[in-house]
Amino acid sequence: DAGVIQSPRHEVTEMGQEVTLRCKPISGHNSLFWYRQTMMRGLELLIYFNNNVPIDDSGMPEDRFSAKMPNASFSTLKIQPSEPRDSAVYFCASSLTGITGELFFGEGSRLTVL
Amino acid sequence: SQELEQSPQSLIVQEGKNLTINCTSSKTLYGLYWYKQKYGEGLIFLMMLQKGGEEKSHEKITAKLDEKKQQSSLHITASQPSHAGIYLCGADGRTGANNLFFGTGTRLTVIP
Repeated sequence: DAGVIQSPRHEVTEMGQEVTLRCKPISGHNSLFWYRQTMMRGLELLIYFNNNVPIDDSGMPEDRFSAKMPNASFSTLKIQPSEPRDSAVYFCASSLTGITGELFFGEGSRLTVL
Repeated sequence: SQELEQSPQSLIVQEGKNLTINCTSSKTLYGLYWYKQKYGEGLIFLMMLQKGGEEKSHEKITAKLDEKKQQSSLHITASQPSHAGIYLCGADGRTGANNLFFGTGTRLTVIP
């Protein structure tokens, strides 16, 4: 079975450019999460969706970050404009509501902003 | 806000040795989850603990949650190189939506 699929796996961009990260959750899962991982701050929850609706975006660092989930099989995390401090590994995870605590993570998108 | 502190931050052990990783919460935990992350990969779910005093085992890994539900430990018996990685404990935000927040992580290296 296919797991959570993220793209791109690696992205290098220059400061000020727009970055779009993509995620395809596991089919049938109704919750989707975006996390960011850095050495300094560890793994941080940015936003999560339930049934395609954003539930809590309090972890989104600032207005430069936005996330959408137009349908049950696709989500994007956009950074515009990007800054060097956005460099991190961004993970997408999905789960089935009611199955407590078991998130299925993608392999991550490593973003480097020069 | 609730925080999860893990210790040690990193651990280097010889293959075959036992080891313990700890996770401490500033508040009572309603659910405690252990995940493992291999270098350069996503997290993989290991175990979930919900009841005070609960203990679960899978192969050579045992996780416990104390009676007060503020501390958990992960114990690996007879470590192997395949156990190497980053171990993270997580707790839920009590919304029922699996919005987990995670501890600082423990990086485990097992020397053959």
